[in-house]
Amino acid sequence: NAGVTQTPKFQVLKTGQSMTLQCAQDMNHNSMYWYRQDPGMGLRLIYYSASEGTTDKGEVPNGYNVSRLNKREFSLRLESAAPSQTSVYFCASSEGQGSGELFFGEGSRLTVL
Amino acid sequence: GQQVMQIPQYQHVQEGEDFTTYCNSSTTLSNIQWYKQRPGGHPVFLIQLVKSGEVKKQKRLTFQFGEAKKNSSLHITATQTTDVGTYFCAGPGGTASKLTFGTGTRLQVTL
Repeated sequence: NAGVTQTPKFQVLKTGQSMTLQCAQDMNHNSMYWYRQDPGMGLRLIYYSASEGTTDKGEVPNGYNVSRLNKREFSLRLESAAPSQTSVYFCASSEGQGSGELFFGEGSRLTVL
Repeated sequence: GQQVMQIPQYQHVQEGEDFTTYCNSSTTLSNIQWYKQRPGGHPVFLIQLVKSGEVKKQKRLTFQFGEAKKNSSLHITATQTTDVGTYFCAGPGGTASKLTFGTGTRLQVTL
């Protein structure tokens, strides 16, 4: 049982390059999330999708776009990467809205030079 | 917007000592969750508290939800090296779908 799978695990980009982080879950969950984690700042919500077909901004959406491709997949795109986007990115999913645990992927470490 | 703060940011204890982390929200929470993240790992769900004043135990871990549902605590009795990691609280903020995480408390345990 894979749970939440993220790719790639590591990526180095140059400023201005674009890339997409992929996330897929096999638990038939309705809600999916993208968080970024920076030292001393905990986990900050970038975007989330409460259900298939909907997406909404979180705390720190600037510089990112998302696509809820289907119920399983939720991708995060950086159109023009900046050094401030160097971070560890976590995708997560949950059964429904609000209550209920989040299941996290293993994370994607992104460095922007 | 909602803010969730945790104290302390970091604590270093000797194995066998107790440890407590405190979580405070700027708004009343319908529920609160706790997660543990091992070094280099991803957050893993520990527990959810829903009721005002609720206390739950998991072996050596005791979780409390404040009467006003704005604060919570996690207490570990007799820490072990396996307890090493960062502990986060999290609560729904704004819409029900958004979970706001606290800043986390990093626990280091040495022999």
